[in-house]
Amino acid sequence: EIVLTQSPGTLSLSPGERVTLSCRASQSISSTYLAWYQQKPGQAPRLLIYGASNRATGISDRFSGSGSGTDFTLTIRRLEPEDFAVYFCQQHGSSPWTFGQGTKVEIK
Amino acid sequence: QLQLQESGPGLAKPSETLSLTCTVSGGSISANNCYWGWIRQPPGKALEWIGSIYHSGSTYYNPSLKSRVTISVDTSKNQFSLKLSSVTAADTAVYYCARQIVGSPPHPWGQGTLVTVSS
Repeated sequence: EIVLTQSPGTLSLSPGERVTLSCRASQSISSTYLAWYQQKPGQAPRLLIYGASNRATGISDRFSGSGSGTDFTLTIRRLEPEDFAVYFCQQHGSSPWTFGQGTKVEIK
Repeated sequence: QLQLQESGPGLAKPSETLSLTCTVSGGSISANNCYWGWIRQPPGKALEWIGSIYHSGSTYYNPSLKSRVTISVDTSKNQFSLKLSSVTAADTAVYYCARQIVGSPPHPWGQGTLVTVSS
């Protein structure tokens, strides 16, 4: 099973700041199969990025993804109030599909 | 617009079987290259993929749950279902259903339903 480790666990930031979230895999993943989700309290996860760097339909260009192999990154260029949430990475290339434990981005 | 909606009891007793149904609207569950899956999230914890099914009935499950999980599909009702047997408090979670196009991550998801395991 591929373990995804996200860091940091929590980030306290102010609106307007730039944020970089990390997702590290226990073994190499094809970038095709790495996704990022945003989850707000009481809501289902929302797909942000697929294929490591492709924005899903309707997702702001403030969100960008990059990486390859075992190291992947989600960057939010300029935090808006609606961006404060939990972010998960997920791999769907190797069964069982797995998720990271999440990074919480909270308002400072 | 494709939508998924989970339904089922919000409470299950220990050692019994948890049963949930996902109703798909705005699209056909028999669409090619689409799998239909279940994912859960215990309170305050990470998401866990449970398993998926194709409209033909072909399934694949997370090995950690495989001995207790059955996923089935009813194409006439555009629904698929989850049964998880011998539940314990550790199975308390929000259960989500989602579409999985081959080669793509789960999307969209249902809103989720909380199932609590308690006597």
